Amino acid sequence: EVQLVESGGGLVQPGRSLRLSCAASQFSFDDYAMHWVRQVPGKGLEWVSGISWNSDSLVYADSVKGRFTISRDNAKKSLYMQMDSLRTEDTALYYCVKGVDFGVVTSFDSWGQGALVTVSS
Amino acid sequence: QSALTQPPSASGSPGQSVTISCTGTSSDVGEFNYVSWYQQLPGYAPQLFIYEVTKRPSGVPDRFSGSKSGNTASLTVSGLQAEDEADYYCSSYAGSNNYVFGTGTRVTVL
Repeated sequence: EVQLVESGGGLVQPGRSLRLSCAASQFSFDDYAMHWVRQVPGKGLEWVSGISWNSDSLVYADSVKGRFTISRDNAKKSLYMQMDSLRTEDTALYYCVKGVDFGVVTSFDSWGQGALVTVSS
Repeated sequence: QSALTQPPSASGSPGQSVTISCTGTSSDVGEFNYVSWYQQLPGYAPQLFIYEVTKRPSGVPDRFSGSKSGNTASLTVSGLQAEDEADYYCSSYAGSNNYVFGTGTRVTVL
């Protein structure tokens, strides 16, 4: 069974940075695209960013473009999200999500349990 | 990019069928066959139930089926069971490396 474990969430002040990590196991990590999707508790889902299997394609939602950077390390089976210039509206539970296949244009197959990011002064 | 429109709630008695709609535009649902449906139980992460409009991942009961007509996609749950009570979200690829989710539907089993 696919396992995705997020870490790095926490409380941070507006304008500061945070880095999320996602450790993947029980599947061939370097064969699949990966994404980050966020959800304000009690609210709906919002796609944030995606990365192809070989990091050739990096894509972002307009709401985070220029502030967030997605990356992956296939040798370490890990996905990352560097979040800079954080805003209060970035407060959410951030899910690490496996794509159905290798390209960024895909459905979201398996989800981690999420890392809570709270941006507040 | 606006969220896809779903009814806030849907309900049915055990054994009945319920259909949830997901309305987008000709730039997302209407243009691409990357429509997916996710079930989210309270306190849990979403789980993929339908992808590429009609495909079911292994382990998902065949009571769940997806379809699309024009700019509207639909999820039908046949033979409703108590365990189907959850929030359901649709999503669609929206072109230009962008995705959009639906507003979510709470399904209640009466």
